[in-house]
Amino acid sequence: DAGITQSPRHKVTETGTPVTLRCHQTENHRYMYWYRQDPGHGLRLIHYSYGVKDTDKGEVSDGYSVSRSKTEDFLLTLESATSSQTSVYFCAISEATGLGSTDTQYFGPGTRLTVL
Amino acid sequence: QKEVEQDPGPLSVPEGAIVSLNCTYSNSAFQYFMWYRQYSRKGPELLMYTYSSGNKEDGRFTAQVDKSSKYISLFIRDSQPSDSATYLCAMNPAQKLVFGQGTRLTINP
Repeated sequence: DAGITQSPRHKVTETGTPVTLRCHQTENHRYMYWYRQDPGHGLRLIHYSYGVKDTDKGEVSDGYSVSRSKTEDFLLTLESATSSQTSVYFCAISEATGLGSTDTQYFGPGTRLTVL
Repeated sequence: QKEVEQDPGPLSVPEGAIVSLNCTYSNSAFQYFMWYRQYSRKGPELLMYTYSSGNKEDGRFTAQVDKSSKYISLFIRDSQPSDSATYLCAMNPAQKLVFGQGTRLTINP
């Protein structure tokens, strides 16, 4: 998985509780991404980061926040989890220099989150 | 209308068959096209990468891009049971990829 780890790998939580997912990379790639994957919707971008403390929203960012204080770590927080946030969450990294081949993204193993 | 359309399948074929997976897209600015393979309960892994129009071959896999038709394809020759997975197309004009929904493929021995 290209030097990408995600923790936890599985989590069950209750509605209304805060949840933080962690993505850690050892590749020193500039870009990091959080996606969710749901049946019928494929992969949808939640937030991404293009550097330390530099983040931007994706297409499904409502209810999620992110932080990146170090190049290697990208955190995704659900401030108050809802059942609609039950999903599989993937982190991805990319060099993304705009030169084509480096724009490819490499994915972590995923976190399976269930909100009851 | 989604920027990238991909038939979700499922698609089931016998071992040894030629498989054709396809995506259409609407944004003519897309220049880089990728295919990812995702095994059950795993993260997507990059399978093929192509730039602009044309073909690219890697072993049993061929990726084809037709920018004039906004259509990309992935062909798998001599398909094997180990090819059973979900295949996602992806493309980008910049640093954000847009993914198709994914096609679930099963190769039957």
